[in-house]
Amino acid sequence: GAVVSQHPSWVICKSGTSVKIECRSLDFQATTMFWYRQFPKQSLMLMATSNEGSKATYEQGVEKDKFLINHASLTLSTLTVTSAHPEDSSFYICSAAGDLETQYFGPGTRLLVL
Amino acid sequence: QKEVEQNSGPLSVPEGAIASLNCTYSDRGSQSFFWYRQYSGKSPELIMFIYSNGDKEDGRFTAQLNKASQYVSLLIRDSQPSDSATYLCAVNMGSSGTASKLTFGTGTRLQVTL
Repeated sequence: GAVVSQHPSWVICKSGTSVKIECRSLDFQATTMFWYRQFPKQSLMLMATSNEGSKATYEQGVEKDKFLINHASLTLSTLTVTSAHPEDSSFYICSAAGDLETQYFGPGTRLLVL
Repeated sequence: QKEVEQNSGPLSVPEGAIASLNCTYSDRGSQSFFWYRQYSGKSPELIMFIYSNGDKEDGRFTAQLNKASQYVSLLIRDSQPSDSATYLCAVNMGSSGTASKLTFGTGTRLQVTL
């Protein structure tokens, strides 16, 4: 149980384009989903927390207009990187938590912006 | 600032030995504690969680919590080369039972040698 998927696993795009990443909880209802970013050899950095049906809460320094988060249902959250630039290239990982507080991570999405 | 601290390592142990990974946290009111394993290039996967003082065992893994000392550890018995990874300590510094955001340590890299 507690399986979280992400799609796509890899994405390469041109600078200035927008990229949408999906995060799904496959076998449980995720009341809360989290989005992280991880640069090479660095620790996880929490970007935002989203609850189903409400606006996401962004961490300090994360631009909410650049990283759009939608948590439309109890099994799906999306992260859209708008007008991506090379400095946005990173490993984006979502996690999901259900009734209990344990967070289960998706496999991650590698974004490369050319 | 609320912090979780881990020795970055690498911690090198021979195959079959016990690996001991340590973590300290700054918020005395923290209620729940998690250990995740992250292989290079992959997302974190949950090993175990602990809420109460004392030991919690799951297979070859034992988590130990001492809230008075603000200290949590992970023991891995009969270490295998496949255990070589970065181990992340995470602390929920919000209310227990709710999916509050986790504060992660920077991780300890474990190397199990043949």
